[in-house]
Amino acid sequence: GAVVSQHPSRVICKSGTSVKIECRSLDFQATTMFWYRQFPKQSLMLMATSNEGSKATYEQGVEKDKFLINHASLTLSTLTVTSAHPEDSSFYICSARDPTEDSPYGYTFGSGTRLTVV
Amino acid sequence: AQSVTQLGSHVSVSEGALVLLRCNYSSSVPPYLFWYVQYPNQGLQLLLKYTSAATLVKGINGFEAEFKKSETSFHLTKPSAHMSDAAEYFCAVTAYNQGGKLIFGQGTELSVKP
Repeated sequence: GAVVSQHPSRVICKSGTSVKIECRSLDFQATTMFWYRQFPKQSLMLMATSNEGSKATYEQGVEKDKFLINHASLTLSTLTVTSAHPEDSSFYICSARDPTEDSPYGYTFGSGTRLTVV
Repeated sequence: AQSVTQLGSHVSVSEGALVLLRCNYSSSVPPYLFWYVQYPNQGLQLLLKYTSAATLVKGINGFEAEFKKSETSFHLTKPSAHMSDAAEYFCAVTAYNQGGKLIFGQGTELSVKP
C-alpha cells in the first residue's frame, strides 16, 4: 500500500532558529499533500494544502511566512518553521493521497514530527 | 461547511467487552467519513472509510462502522476489545467539493482494562 515517510520524527531546536520537516510519498506520486498540527491531547488541525509546482494554500489563521511550504516534486513536500518559538512546539503530521487507489479518498499519513522549541 | 463531533473524550472498557465510539457529523453535501487510530507519538492509521457505497463498513482489526444518514452518525464498534486497541481514535469527514481536506473530530481516547 501507499507509504508516506516523514522526517525527522523528533527535533529539538533553539528559539529563533528554523526547522525543516520533510514529507515523502515513497511509492506513489502525490500532486497534493496536507500538513496538520496537533497539540497534546487535541485533534488535528489542517494548516495548509501543499500543491506540487504551485503555492500552498493556507488555512485561515495560519501564518504563511512562518510556516513555509515547498512542494517542488511529486514525491516531496517540506514544511519549514521559521524563527521558531516555544509556542510552535507541537506534533506536525503530513498526509498524501495515492491517486491510483480505487477509492478517491485514500489518504495516507506520515508518522509525524514532534517539534520542541526551547 | 462540515464538522464532526465525537461524544466522549475518553472511553474505558474491559477486555472482551463491546467497544462503541460515537461520531456525529454535519455536512451540507453527501459526506465521506473516516475513522483513524493513533498510537502515542505516531501518525494516523486508517481503520475504515465510508464513501457512499455500503452503509455498513468493515475495517481492519475487527472494527466496523455504520453510516446512518437519518441520525447523521458514523459510530465505530468492535464486538470484543483487546488490550492492543488502547489508543486515540479520530472520526473525520470530507466531501467531493472539499479539495481533499479532512475535518477531524476531537478524538476519543480508548482505554482497555484487563
